Amino acid sequence: DVKVTQSSRYLVKRTGEKVFLECVQDMDHENMFWYRQDPGLGLRLIYFSYDVKMKEKGDIPEGYSVSREKKERFSLILESASTNQTSMYLCASCTGTGVQPQHFGDGARLSIL
Amino acid sequence: QQPVQSPQAVILREGEDAVINCSSSKALYSVHWYRQKHGEAPVFLMILLKGGEQKGHDKISASFNEKKQQSSLYLTASQLSYSGTYFCGTSKQSSGSARQLTFGSGTQLTVLP
Repeated sequence: DVKVTQSSRYLVKRTGEKVFLECVQDMDHENMFWYRQDPGLGLRLIYFSYDVKMKEKGDIPEGYSVSREKKERFSLILESASTNQTSMYLCASCTGTGVQPQHFGDGARLSIL
Repeated sequence: QQPVQSPQAVILREGEDAVINCSSSKALYSVHWYRQKHGEAPVFLMILLKGGEQKGHDKISASFNEKKQQSSLYLTASQLSYSGTYFCGTSKQSSGSARQLTFGSGTQLTVLP
């Protein structure tokens, strides 16, 4: 069964901390995405990657960076966490020809205190 | 611009039908439908492309009306397992960046026995 795995389901961090969210997929997909999900706002794209070491900014990249050193792993980094980054973060992937996420991880609920 | 979904929430009994709409103020090329159960990853249901097609599997189908810039998701003879939040993603272009895809805020569907 295909799988997108996010390593942490629940995280509590403090303002100013550097936070790493990890995502691994086992489907050999070229494209990977990071979204945040907030009530009433729907999914919003933070960053996506269409190949190893390739990345492109989404709609709300400020305060975030990403890393894709291997095809199966896509990491989201909050450089200096702030309270307005408290949210549900979803990782997703799809094959190279698509731009829509097809397979999602279970999400990471991040609280910044 | 975020597509608008209606209704925001619907409660029905097992066996009843439901329709969820997804509307955009701009011309659409594609509409994508997802379902997310509480605490779980979103699941990709289907994609509809410009051309007014209708798609479906099992008792869940969808239509895409280009002129109205709207898609409707039809759930027939609802089952308890259909409960969850349904959200649509819309794209104005046939290809290009994942930034083209924007998501509605979701419709919460509850099926009661």
